[in-house]
Amino acid sequence: KQEVTQIPAALSVPEGENLVLNCSFTDSAIYNLQWFRQDPGKGLTSLLLIQSSQREQTSGRLNASLDKSSGRSTLYIAASQPGDSATYLCAVTKGSQGNLIFGKGTKLSVKP
Amino acid sequence: DGGITQSPKYLFRKEGQNVTLSCEQNLNHDAMYWYRQDPGQGLRLIYYSQIVNDFQKGDIAEGYSVSREKKESFPLTVTSAQKNPTAFYLCASSHGQGAIETQYFGPGTRLLVL
Repeated sequence: KQEVTQIPAALSVPEGENLVLNCSFTDSAIYNLQWFRQDPGKGLTSLLLIQSSQREQTSGRLNASLDKSSGRSTLYIAASQPGDSATYLCAVTKGSQGNLIFGKGTKLSVKP
Repeated sequence: DGGITQSPKYLFRKEGQNVTLSCEQNLNHDAMYWYRQDPGQGLRLIYYSQIVNDFQKGDIAEGYSVSREKKESFPLTVTSAQKNPTAFYLCASSHGQGAIETQYFGPGTRLLVL
């Protein structure tokens, strides 16, 4: 059974710091991995999607990497800002129909 | 504006009552999904539909039912058989079937039991 773990559960950093969020999964047979952002009481916003054949994806200050063989992904946020404060969720695709298995998230707080 | 809408934002259920959560999308997406989120937990899949008039159970389908009569609509009914319905419910859609598509999420409905 696929399990997704995110460490740490919560992270507090000063503004301007570079940071890394971690995601691990137990079954390397995934189709893709997605990173999402969730603000309190809101829906999810897709940040990056990495196909299983890819090693990384970049969007602005965000960079996500994928190492399928070791079952790990990282989300790197450069020059963090208070507006980055949110919960970040990692999800892997279960099966060819696109069903997602989520981690519990990392709650990020960026302090001014 | 293209997107996914969910209504209502808050919903209250009495004991023994069935309630229906609405999900509508105007993105012309084929696939739609329902997830449940509990505090401090990841999202869990309830039901999904890859095409009109077809849907499959997810990991926690017991106590829930769905229909997919129109491409743009995927309502979720929480039945009285669901003994612990209090949660945040999220609807999502993706362009096509399959694992390569990004899922786009609605704003969610919070269900509370009176």
